[in-house]
Amino acid sequence: GENVEQHPSTLSVQEGDSAVIKCTYSDSASNYFPWYKQELGKRPQLIIDIRSNVGEKKDQRIAVTLNKTAKHFSLHITETQPEDSAVYFCAASQRLRSNDYKLSFGAGTTVTVRA
Amino acid sequence: NAGVTQTPKFRVLKTGQSMTLLCAQDMNHEYMYWYRQDPGMGLRLIHYSVGEGTTAKGEVPDGYNVSRLKKQNFLLGLESAAPSQTSVYFCASSYRGQGHNEQFFGPGTRLTVL
Repeated sequence: GENVEQHPSTLSVQEGDSAVIKCTYSDSASNYFPWYKQELGKRPQLIIDIRSNVGEKKDQRIAVTLNKTAKHFSLHITETQPEDSAVYFCAASQRLRSNDYKLSFGAGTTVTVRA
Repeated sequence: NAGVTQTPKFRVLKTGQSMTLLCAQDMNHEYMYWYRQDPGMGLRLIHYSVGEGTTAKGEVPDGYNVSRLKKQNFLLGLESAAPSQTSVYFCASSYRGQGHNEQFFGPGTRLTVL
């Protein structure tokens, strides 16, 4: 099955600096890579996703890059703000059968933005 | 729209007791999922459903059962709770399969088994 590894497990950055989280996956058939943000005590929410036919996607201060050959993808947050403090999860899709997929999640990265 | 809701929010059980967690969504989504979240382990899929009347096992299904009698509801049952089932449980739904688009999560249920 799919194995998604996420690094680092914790990340502390100064407000205004950039944060980068990296994930690797094992299933070369994976074609969908979402990132979820979970604030303390809240539910995970999708912040950005990328499909395998795209190498990079950007939405304001966040961007995701995908390297299919190396089977890794990364989340980049620029100009970090205190409200970016949260746990971030990457995920990769695994096809089970026709039109049926599951998501495999990384273990999460706890990001702390220092004021 | 309420989105995805879960009941209860918190529950404490004794070993061997049973309980049912209810998930409801009002977005007319076909797909629904149950995950458990444990520290340092991300979200692990317990069971999922691709439509009313259908269910399938995820990666950690042992000790759990599910039912999807109505499209909007997905129930997770613990027949004989064990301390290893202490966790935060999240329900999610999506319009199409997970490999296609966004999953919407419920607020979670924190379960403690003593």
